[in-house]
Amino acid sequence: AQKITQTQPGMFVQEKEAVTLDCTYDTSDPSYGLFWYKQPSSGEMIFLIYQGSYDQQNATEGRYSLNFQKARKSANLVISASQLGDSAMYFCAMREGKGAQKLVFGQGTRLTINP
Amino acid sequence: DTGVSQDPRHKITKRGQNVTFRCDPISEHNRLYWYRQTLGQGPEFLTYFQNEAQLEKSRLLSDRFSAERPKGSFSTLEIQRTEQGDSAMYLCASSLNSGRRDEKLFFGSGTQLSVL
Repeated sequence: AQKITQTQPGMFVQEKEAVTLDCTYDTSDPSYGLFWYKQPSSGEMIFLIYQGSYDQQNATEGRYSLNFQKARKSANLVISASQLGDSAMYFCAMREGKGAQKLVFGQGTRLTINP
Repeated sequence: DTGVSQDPRHKITKRGQNVTFRCDPISEHNRLYWYRQTLGQGPEFLTYFQNEAQLEKSRLLSDRFSAERPKGSFSTLEIQRTEQGDSAMYLCASSLNSGRRDEKLFFGSGTQLSVL
């Protein structure tokens, strides 16, 4: 079973608009962390934002925010005021369980920002 | 402050040959990870080291794959008798053991392997 599901293979957005990238996850562990990474064409994965399962507030980092709906097991990434440089692959990932170290990634969403 | 570096960036090899990749993590990081990423997919976990100890291996890591981190610094990933299905991007990541769930991984740019 997929632990992380990203249902949008591709998204196309006009520059300066906001965009939401969807992520749902599957875990029975009450303690977990959710991450979003950006992968530009250069290949390097860049950390964007983190949300812990016990966090009371949605995480925010600059133009990035996370719409965390625990009951629905969703952790959608919101990018405000999109820029051409935001064009990239975006991956949602989860670390679950005590002592676990690895991140499990979803299949990603390719975001294209149009001028 | 240098990031995670991987060498080579690209490797083309013939089926049946052995290949070895190197990863140099961020200097103070004691954890090191290898992931494999095929086109259009997310990275898949292969293995993880804490210092020189290999603590977890994925079932994806067949007996043709071996990873080492002999002195707890750089790591090598070797693939023996390569197959066309091994063609992928091999990503290395490192992190500093914080004991926190928000410990983030820092990735290198990867080694793109093409097996002909």
